Amino acid sequence: QVQLVESGGGVVQPGGSLRLSCAASGFTFSSYGMHWVRQAPGKGLEWVAFIRYDGSNKYYADSVKGRFTISRDNSKNTLYLQMNSLRAEDTAVYYCAKDGSVGTDLSAFDIWGQGTMVTVSS
Amino acid sequence: AIWMTQSPSLLSASTGDRVTISCRMSQGISSYLAWYQQKPGKAPELLIYAASTLQSGVPSRFSGSGSGTDFTLTISCLQSEDFATYYCQQYYSFPFTFGPGTKVDIK
Repeated sequence: QVQLVESGGGVVQPGGSLRLSCAASGFTFSSYGMHWVRQAPGKGLEWVAFIRYDGSNKYYADSVKGRFTISRDNSKNTLYLQMNSLRAEDTAVYYCAKDGSVGTDLSAFDIWGQGTMVTVSS
Repeated sequence: AIWMTQSPSLLSASTGDRVTISCRMSQGISSYLAWYQQKPGKAPELLIYAASTLQSGVPSRFSGSGSGTDFTLTISCLQSEDFATYYCQQYYSFPFTFGPGTKVDIK
């Protein structure tokens, strides 16, 4: 079945780095744009970043621009989020999510992973 | 960035009720609007996309309407499994944004 599984979360000190992974299965990963979305404890959803199906186009939220990098390896069916210069306000559950449509960057998210928790604390 | 408001933020209702949640955008987004349901400790799930298209597998008691700046999610007959938080999301332009959420709880 279609599935996304995140990993790589954990506790990191302010200023530190972490790389999240999202393993995809059950669909043609290389055909779909992918996103990262986060949710701070007790708060709402915040879109973080997008990468086009072939990696040719990327967008970021202002809150993470210059610190986070989204990438993908279509040969491994895996999405990544490299997070540098982490701050306390980056503490959240991080979800990867799949575009529902092909051929466009503008799509709702039809499949979500279960999330991985990132805690930034000294 | 495009911002949205959702109302109400909290909705207390009973099983069988008809409930309506509104989402208003800071600028027009045509029909590039989705609705998600999220239950505690779980990932969000897509209910509606393109403002009014029901995602496969979603019960027909859910419906969406609107275009431009004003959108509505309606649950025609609330079931026990529908008590959750609902978010609207615009995907008209980057950065994509979510509404602040509407929690539907038991009256």
